[in-house]
Amino acid sequence: GDSVTQMEGPVTLSEEACLTINCTYTATGYPSLFWYVQYPGEGLQLLLKATKADDKGSNKGFEATYRKETTSFHLEKGSVQVSDSAVYFCALRAYGGSQGNLIFGKGTKLSVKP
Amino acid sequence: NAGVTQTPKFQVLKTGQSMTLQCAQDMNHEYMSWYRQDPGMGLRLIHYSVGAGITDQGEVPNGYNVSRSTTEDFPLRLLSAAPSQTSVYFCASSALRGSNQPQHFGDGTRLSIL
Repeated sequence: GDSVTQMEGPVTLSEEACLTINCTYTATGYPSLFWYVQYPGEGLQLLLKATKADDKGSNKGFEATYRKETTSFHLEKGSVQVSDSAVYFCALRAYGGSQGNLIFGKGTKLSVKP
Repeated sequence: NAGVTQTPKFQVLKTGQSMTLQCAQDMNHEYMSWYRQDPGMGLRLIHYSVGAGITDQGEVPNGYNVSRSTTEDFPLRLLSAAPSQTSVYFCASSALRGSNQPQHFGDGTRLSIL
C-alpha cells in the first residue's frame, strides 16, 4: 500500500543553520505531496504542497521539490529560526491504494536553539 | 472563518464510558476524516467520509463509530472507552476527494482514558 517514510528525529539545530528533513514515498497512483507543521499544543497546518513531478512547493522560507525519479520530497530551509521549532509531517494523497486518503509519515521534531 | 472546529479540547474518561467527539466545518467540504496521533506513530486514519450518508473505515477503526448526517458535521463515537484509546484526536476536511486538495485540520481533542 501507499506509505511515507521520513527521517526520524529529534533534530536539534542552532539558529541560522541549514535544515533538510528527508521524505520518501511509495504510491500506486499519482500522488500529491504535502508538508504539514504542528507547533506545540496546536493542530496541523499545511506548510507547502506539490501536485506533480518537478513541482516545487515553498512557504515561509521552506522548500520541497517533488522528485518522481527518486520518489522523494525533502523539506529544506536555508536559515532556521527559533520560531521554526515544531513537528514536521510529510504526507501524500493519491487515488489508487490509499483511496484518496492522506497518508502521513511519523513526523520529525525540530528544535532550534538561539 | 471558523474552519474546522473540534469539541471538547480536553476530556478525561473512565474505562467503559462512552462519549462523542464533535467536529464541524463551515467550508462546505465533502470530505471529512478522523485521525489519532500517538507518540512515534504519526497520524493514523480512523474513519472518513466523502459526503453526507457515506462513511468508510480507515487504518484503525476498531472501537470507534462515525456517522455523517449533514455536510457540516462528522462526530466520532467511542462506545466503551479503553485505555488504549488515550490519544490526541484530529478531525480534518477538504474540498474534494481529489488528490491535490490539502486537508484542513482542527485543533484536536486530547483524550485520556483512566
